[in-house]
Amino acid sequence: DGGITQSPKYLFRKEGQNVTLSCEQNLNHDAMYWYRQDPGQGLRLIYYSQIVNDFQKGDIAEGYSVSREKKESFPLTVTSAQKNPTAFYLCASKKSFQGQHEQFFGPGTRLTVL
Amino acid sequence: GDSVTQMEGPVTLSEEAFLTINCTYTATGYPSLFWYVQYPGEGLQLLLKATKADDKGSNKGFEATYRKETTSFHLEKGSVQVSDSAVYFCALTSNAGGTSYGKLTFGQGTILTVHP
Repeated sequence: DGGITQSPKYLFRKEGQNVTLSCEQNLNHDAMYWYRQDPGQGLRLIYYSQIVNDFQKGDIAEGYSVSREKKESFPLTVTSAQKNPTAFYLCASKKSFQGQHEQFFGPGTRLTVL
Repeated sequence: GDSVTQMEGPVTLSEEAFLTINCTYTATGYPSLFWYVQYPGEGLQLLLKATKADDKGSNKGFEATYRKETTSFHLEKGSVQVSDSAVYFCALTSNAGGTSYGKLTFGQGTILTVHP
């Protein structure tokens, strides 16, 4: 079945450590996205990638980094510079950046920094 | 910039009650509008969408009509079930070009709880 997988589902890290969240899709989509979700708030865009080897900052990119070396994969690194990293992180993909296609979401990773 | 405003929750209903979740938006150009649903501990699923004025999106008994004159996209369902308990997000994609092109902007979400 085609879809988006995120791993792990739950992640615990000590303060000051970098951590990388995995996102893989087998939908052959060009565009991929990372969102952060906090309680009582909508989703906020961290980074997006329109195509392989290209990515752009979203609304809240500070303290995060990404790479897009393969079409299927868009990992997100939460660095020690991110002041409040505890949140639910959602990855999404879309057939192409332009156009009215829907975004498909993964199941999410809940990151807790102790 | 673009923005989406949803009615504040949480919303608590009895089974078979009528549901309305209000959503209004601000956007340049002619955005596409979406409702997504999130069940506990899961990612988001597209519930329905509308891409132009007066379009009605519908799915699983839910409906929403794209009203350009009132910049609204209210979600309705005639008879809710316990299984509809979830968080509902209204969202838009701007088609106006520039840096916002293709970006999905979300409302803050509305928690719906349906009791038997």
